[in-house]
Amino acid sequence: GQQLNQSPQSMFIQEGEDVSMNCTSSSIFNTWLWYKQDPGEGPVLLIALYKAGELTSNGRLTAQFGITRKDSFLNISASIPSDVGIYFCAGRIQGAQKLVFGQGTRLTINP
Amino acid sequence: NAGVTQTPKFRILKIGQSMTLQCTQDMNHNYMYWYRQDPGMGLKLIYYSVGAGITDKGEVPNGYNVSRSTTEDFPLRLELAAPSQTSVYFCASHVGTEAFFGQGTRLTVV
Repeated sequence: GQQLNQSPQSMFIQEGEDVSMNCTSSSIFNTWLWYKQDPGEGPVLLIALYKAGELTSNGRLTAQFGITRKDSFLNISASIPSDVGIYFCAGRIQGAQKLVFGQGTRLTINP
Repeated sequence: NAGVTQTPKFRILKIGQSMTLQCTQDMNHNYMYWYRQDPGMGLKLIYYSVGAGITDKGEVPNGYNVSRSTTEDFPLRLELAAPSQTSVYFCASHVGTEAFFGQGTRLTVV
């Protein structure tokens, strides 16, 4: 089936550090989404991207829709303890309606 | 706004028992999904539906059944619970590009 490769699988960082994660695929996407899942909760949408090259920010979070339309990146600047959680990329492949999800990046922050 | 509502939040089943996980959404979304999330892992698609009366298998459908008689409801049925079905189950709905998730059902099969 369609696959989204999300990396890294986990990150252990110090508070205040910047974070980068990405998703790649062999398929072309027309939408990229980034979600965050807090412990014990369902995923919540952070950023949605609709055009190749698009760069969108939400506070300290910035996400980009890759030019090739096969990848997307999420950056978190100056991490704080509440950034802890699992971050999922998701996307809609060109010509399809169903969303596909990456495997998630688990972020742990040491104070 | 209620959004996507899942019940129950927690359940313990014995091996071989059956149960239905309920999911309802009040946003009139056509697309609905069931995912399972094993400890420390990502989301695996069990079943999805593109509208009332239409369902299709995801990555891990074995041991589960679904129905979609209305736009609002998308129940997930476990007929013969097995320990491998111990997981957190998430229901989601979407229209356009944004998917909304329920709070999850934590199921333990012993």
